[in-house]
Amino acid sequence: QVQLQESGPGLVKPSQTLSLTCAVSGTSINSADYYWTWIRQQPGKALELIGNIHYSGKTFYHPSLKSRLTISLDTSKNQFSLKLTSVTAADTAMYFCARGAGPDRFAYWGPGTLVTVSS
Amino acid sequence: SSELTQDPAVSVALGQTVRITCQGDILRTYYPNWYQQKPGRAPILVIFRNYNRPSGIPDRFSGSSSGTTASLTITGAQAEDEATYYCSSRDIGAPVVFGGGTKLTVL
Repeated sequence: QVQLQESGPGLVKPSQTLSLTCAVSGTSINSADYYWTWIRQQPGKALELIGNIHYSGKTFYHPSLKSRLTISLDTSKNQFSLKLTSVTAADTAMYFCARGAGPDRFAYWGPGTLVTVSS
Repeated sequence: SSELTQDPAVSVALGQTVRITCQGDILRTYYPNWYQQKPGRAPILVIFRNYNRPSGIPDRFSGSSSGTTASLTITGAQAEDEATYYCSSRDIGAPVVFGGGTKLTVL
């Protein structure tokens, strides 16, 4: 049974770094078939791709976030992570991790974690 | 990047049929996927690659696409189908693009 679970602080101060981890079980992040993806949803807004990473190390970052974003894999722990620097209130959102097949088809998602950027 | 356009809100009477549409030039190139999202929950994939249903999705959900328009049809809408529905597809230069979402109300 594939499961994903996000973890990280729910509150981050402006200008600081947002760090989230997605623990994956029931499937290996070393698979060539999948793209490990971060998606966010600002309050009342639509889903927005943040970026993804493939087991090969290849990444895609949303152009608007590229200068602040790092997505990485930890194969020893079967998890992947997101770091977003210099956050502002505009980064307040529900953050989801997901397994992408295709890489645009997301059959498995974490439950999401709400991150608020506020002093 | 491409855009996928959805009507913000649609309503349907209980037991009736509703079609939710998604428009975008990228749909000429890539198949659409559809997600159902209820408040406070992660999205659920209900249709992938145009018309395929994942295991466990009721057969009242169906999908189609023609030209620049994709459609999600719910035949015999149930109260539990009330949710926001998002279309998505691959994009040129990006793994995925999402539509703005359609909030479905079941009356």
